[in-house]
Amino acid sequence: GESVGLHLPTLSVQEGDNSIINCAYSNSASDYFIWYKQESGKGPQFIIDIRSNMDKRQGQRVTVLLNKTVKHLSLQIAATQPGDSAVYFCGGYKLSFGAGTTVTVRA
Amino acid sequence: NAGVTQTPKFQVLKTGQSMTLQCAQDMNHNSMYWYRQDPGMGLRLIYYSASEGTTDKGEVPNGYNVSRLNKREFSLRLESAAPSQTSVYFCASSSRWTSGETPQETQYFGPGTRLLVL
Repeated sequence: GESVGLHLPTLSVQEGDNSIINCAYSNSASDYFIWYKQESGKGPQFIIDIRSNMDKRQGQRVTVLLNKTVKHLSLQIAATQPGDSAVYFCGGYKLSFGAGTTVTVRA
Repeated sequence: NAGVTQTPKFQVLKTGQSMTLQCAQDMNHNSMYWYRQDPGMGLRLIYYSASEGTTDKGEVPNGYNVSRLNKREFSLRLESAAPSQTSVYFCASSSRWTSGETPQETQYFGPGTRLLVL
């Protein structure tokens, strides 16, 4: 089936540093991409989205970049905090999501 | 608003038993989804319903059936449970709208149902 989300499995970040989480996708037809955060024992939570006709979108402390040429998404988190420790998924409309990247914030 | 609710939270079944997972949303969303999440596999789409009265298969529909009972409720049924269906099941809902020329959508997930099939 069509899917989104080929991630590196883990990322360890020092508190206060910036984090960059990467994601590749295989479905060129997707017109809309989403980043989710999932904390242990909880359901996924929407972080930020980006339309396929955009290259960059900024939210509060987060920025998503889309490179359609190489089918690549990234999520940048500024000044990473302990509460940012979670699994991060990228996804799209009516698509399955990959295994995600586990982000661990070191104090 | 309660958002997306799921029942039960936990369930243990024996192989061959049947059960229905319930999902409801109070956000007046058109679209609803069922995913399963297994360790190291991420979220895989089982079925989705773009609107009341319609359902479509996702990536892994075998062994499942769904019913979009009304706009609020979307249930997932396992007719004859198998150990391979041991998983955490998430329901989600969303509304799709158009901003400019491109559709946008935000999904909201329920807390999940943990299912163990022995």
